[in-house]
Amino acid sequence: GAGVSQTPSNKVTEKGKYVELRCDPISGHTALYWYRQSLGQGPEFLIYFQGTSAADDSGLPNDRFFAVRPEGSVSTLKIQRTERGDSAVYLCASSLEGSSGETQYFGPGTRLLVL
Amino acid sequence: AQSVSQHNHHVILSEAASLELGCNYSYGGTVNLFWYVQYPGQHLQLLLKYFSGDPLVKGIKGFEAEFIKSKFSFNLRKPSVQWSDTAEYFCAASDPTAGSYQLTFGKGTKLSVIP
Repeated sequence: GAGVSQTPSNKVTEKGKYVELRCDPISGHTALYWYRQSLGQGPEFLIYFQGTSAADDSGLPNDRFFAVRPEGSVSTLKIQRTERGDSAVYLCASSLEGSSGETQYFGPGTRLLVL
Repeated sequence: AQSVSQHNHHVILSEAASLELGCNYSYGGTVNLFWYVQYPGQHLQLLLKYFSGDPLVKGIKGFEAEFIKSKFSFNLRKPSVQWSDTAEYFCAASDPTAGSYQLTFGKGTKLSVIP
């Protein structure tokens, strides 16, 4: 079956612009996670959705970052007033229920470059 | 704060050599542990995971890992590596008592296998 997909695969923008990154999870997965991976680092947690609700947004670095999942499937990560430090690979993962020990399946990521 | 440490940044081995990649975590209580692999040009995929039971966990492609609670370690092993094992390996942990089961990743270890 289809895995997690993310669009676009690459995004180049200018400092101060607004960007949207999209994640399409595995069909039927209720749990969805966003992570950010900077160069030379492991992925860092941003936000977790259970269904339509953002159950844990403790990883969002500041209020320029926001994410939605209005129908409990596709999610969009939104970044306002982008800064050069936002350049990273943004990863999306989904899991069936969001329960302990469950495997998270990752997408290919969106590589964001802020000039 | 919870953290995961991978002490080897880059490991270079010849084919048929044995592999052990170190991973230590700093969680105080129970913990779920994972090893993910990222092959060149591909997305993160699960190698193996531990959440309870037998501390020796076997995964795909001949990999195994041992959970040693007293040492806060979850080292990855393979008795004989192949060129196709060239990839980046990430250790990750999650708190099974938390609501979101977000993963905390180490910085990764790049493995290069020389034919």
